[in-house]
Amino acid sequence: KAGVTQTPRYLIKTRGQQVTLSCSPISGHRSVSWYQQTPGQGLQFLFEYFSETQRNKGNFPGRFSGRQFSNSRSEMNVSTLELGDSALYLCASSLGQDTYEQYFGPGTRLTVT
Amino acid sequence: AQSVTQLDSQVPVFEEAPVELRCNYSSSVSVYLFWYVQYPNQGLQLLLKYLSGSTLVESINGFEAEFNKSQTSFHLRKPSVHISDTAEYFCAVRGKSARQLTFGSGTQLTVLP
Repeated sequence: KAGVTQTPRYLIKTRGQQVTLSCSPISGHRSVSWYQQTPGQGLQFLFEYFSETQRNKGNFPGRFSGRQFSNSRSEMNVSTLELGDSALYLCASSLGQDTYEQYFGPGTRLTVT
Repeated sequence: AQSVTQLDSQVPVFEEAPVELRCNYSSSVSVYLFWYVQYPNQGLQLLLKYLSGSTLVESINGFEAEFNKSQTSFHLRKPSVHISDTAEYFCAVRGKSARQLTFGSGTQLTVLP
């Protein structure tokens, strides 16, 4: 079974631009979570989607948004990019909203210049 | 809310020596506990988990962790490490009523020849 895939793997953007990252969960998994990983703040939870609905949200500004499609694929969007948004963005999928194990993709490395 | 403390940011150890990576957590509710491993330029891989039952859990590659409720710890151990174990290790906790993971700051394990 294929794992979690994330596209693109690497991205360079300029301050003020917006960006969209994509995540395809493991086949059959219906819950997708997003995390931001930075050297300073570590791994921080962004949001979780299940059945196309945001179920949980971390402490991030409204510039960070996401959505989930009927096939469970998910996208996250960051508008008005700031230098501090440079990070590895990780997507994790799980079978259902009450499933304990989360399986992570390889991440998208976003660099904001 | 939960929090996780990984007491050592860097652990160098010689090949075939034993290692212990320490993890302490804080939570007002019952929790599930996880260890993830991250190799360079990759996402997180689930190493082992404690959900319930036996407090000693093992992974397929020789790591084990013991849940100690009184000390609120979930230390990771391996009796004999290999060069290939060099990676960053993250301890994570999830409250039983929550769906997101809270991660520690990570421990970089470097196995020296």
